[in-house]
Amino acid sequence: EVQLVESGGGLVQPGGSLRLSCAASGFTVSSNYMSWVRQAPGKGLEWVSVIYSGGNTYYADSVKGRFTISRDSSKNTLYLQMNSLRAEDTAVYYCAITRERAFDIWGQGTMVTVSS
Amino acid sequence: QTVVTQEPSFSVSPGGTVTLTCGLSSGSVSTSYYPSWYQQTPGQAPRTLIYNTNTRSSGVPDRFSGSILGNKAALTITGAQADDESDYYCVLYMGSGNWVFGGGTKLTVL
Repeated sequence: EVQLVESGGGLVQPGGSLRLSCAASGFTVSSNYMSWVRQAPGKGLEWVSVIYSGGNTYYADSVKGRFTISRDSSKNTLYLQMNSLRAEDTAVYYCAITRERAFDIWGQGTMVTVSS
Repeated sequence: QTVVTQEPSFSVSPGGTVTLTCGLSSGSVSTSYYPSWYQQTPGQAPRTLIYNTNTRSSGVPDRFSGSILGNKAALTITGAQADDESDYYCVLYMGSGNWVFGGGTKLTVL
């Protein structure tokens, strides 16, 4: 069974850092396109970043230069390193397998709160 | 800046048919944007309904269908049921590894 489990969320002060993890099972992360999508409390979905199977990475303008997407093939895990966090980064962060230019299978999400 | 537009809210009667749309602030939506649709209930992760304009995701009933109507992508729900009451999001692939979500439509079944 294909499954994605996010972790690493929590409370962090503005300007701080956090690394999210997305542990995958039932498929190989490095053979797929993988994305992060977030949802601020009471708001809509926002695409954040994608990593292609070939290793190319792309980011939304709102996080470019602050967030880094990566993966570890040995752990079959996707990551999102978030630096210089702002209050507006407060959201539930979902990882998703990206196929056919769509978000196919989603994790359950992990909450990130940026507050002093 | 590209804005993807959706109706903020819509209502449908049980058993009725509703069409939600997904447009662009400037220009027309075509299959080249690979429109996809997602259903989300409060506190839950999104569920993929439609991808590549009109392909249903695994397990999605054929009451849900996707299309291009005029200059917008569309999600049509036929025979609406009470548990279709959810938020619905579309997303468009803008190219160069970039996606933009619409603001979502809150569907009420009453």
